[in-house]
Amino acid sequence: SQQGEEDPQALSIQEGENATMNCSYKTSINNLQWYRQNSGRGLVHLILIRSNEREKHSGRLRVTLDTSKKSSSLLITASRAADTASYFCATANNNDMRFGAGTRLTVKP
Amino acid sequence: EPEVTQTPSHQVTQMGQEVILRCVPISNHLYFYWYRQILGQKVEFLVSFYNNEISEKSEIFDDQFSVERPDGSNFTLKIRSTKLEDSAMYFCASSQGSRNYGYTFGSGTRLTVV
Repeated sequence: SQQGEEDPQALSIQEGENATMNCSYKTSINNLQWYRQNSGRGLVHLILIRSNEREKHSGRLRVTLDTSKKSSSLLITASRAADTASYFCATANNNDMRFGAGTRLTVKP
Repeated sequence: EPEVTQTPSHQVTQMGQEVILRCVPISNHLYFYWYRQILGQKVEFLVSFYNNEISEKSEIFDDQFSVERPDGSNFTLKIRSTKLEDSAMYFCASSQGSRNYGYTFGSGTRLTVV
């Protein structure tokens, strides 16, 4: 299927540590996006990486994309307690964007 | 910062009733979407909408569902004859373009079918 699948399902780290979340998908895509969701709230767009890009940075976020392996990773550096949330990758092909099941990140103070 | 606005935030309805969920997308966005998230599960794509017609829909989006842009600002999702399993958070989103644009999501409508 087009939709991504995140790994791990849950991740618990200490404040200041880095968090790495992975996403794999199965079909061709135009781009891959990462979103964040605080409990019971809407999804917030974090970063988009196009299919012809390999790496992208935004503040403390670093995203990589390997289209040959159909995988992406999201790295959050120097994590903070406020980064606690669920993180979803979403793969987009034209007007059809599908989400994975998400990684639940807990950052302990 | 521009926002996508959804109303109501919570809707309780009797099984078999019709509900209309409302969304006001960002004004200069051209593409509109509905997603749903059953409690504790993944975010599921329902439908995308452009130029007053559906451009993509998922297998979930059957004859029970319909979307409409009744005026220049609102975008609605109608669910006819609601079922218990329609209980979920419904998220509206909009984007400037169809390719290589992030989506802006609303805060969602929690639909509870009793």
